[in-house]
Amino acid sequence: EVQLVESGGGLVQPGGSLRLSCAASGFTFSSYSMNWVRQAPGKGLEWVSHISSSSSTLSYADSVKGRFTISRDNAKNSLYLQMNSLRDEDTAVYYCARDAPALGFWGQGTLVTVSS
Amino acid sequence: QSVLTQPPSASGTPGQRVTISCSGSTSNIGSNYVSWFQQLPGTAPKLLINRNSQRPSGVPDRFSGSKSGTSASLAISGLRSEDEADYYCAAWDDSLSGYVFGTGTKVTVL
Repeated sequence: EVQLVESGGGLVQPGGSLRLSCAASGFTFSSYSMNWVRQAPGKGLEWVSHISSSSSTLSYADSVKGRFTISRDNAKNSLYLQMNSLRDEDTAVYYCARDAPALGFWGQGTLVTVSS
Repeated sequence: QSVLTQPPSASGTPGQRVTISCSGSTSNIGSNYVSWFQQLPGTAPKLLINRNSQRPSGVPDRFSGSKSGTSASLAISGLRSEDEADYYCAAWDDSLSGYVFGTGTKVTVL
């Protein structure tokens, strides 16, 4: 069974940093591209970032480009999102999602709150 | 930022058929597969339809998807109370090199 478990969320001040993790199990992690998707309170889904299986291809939404960095450690079956220069509008539940099928499996999410 | 347009709401009585539209452009729906997701209150999104019309294992055949040009649609037939949820479409966008989501549609069972 595919399992994705996010962690690392919490309360952070504007301008601060946070690193999210996503632990994967139940499949060969190194064979699949992965994504981060977020959802602000009461709002819709917003794709944040994508990483290919070998980390050769990275892409970001314009809203986070230059501030967030996606990475993975295939030996540890883990996906990461380093978030710097956080803003109020980054407050959201952050989900990791596996491709193949596209965004086919999701974790339960971790809440990031940016507030002073 | 949502690039795909959906109606904000849809409703029907139990047993009825409800259809949700999703409008995009040549760089997303026009060039790539469309997926549909169901999000029940307080839970993570769940894949309902992938590759425009394929249902993953476990998804009831009451749910069906289709695509034509730069638009797609999700149909729910035999509407049930447990179908009350938010529904989102999504597609890869070649211009953005990332996924774009629809604005979301809240389905209410009257």
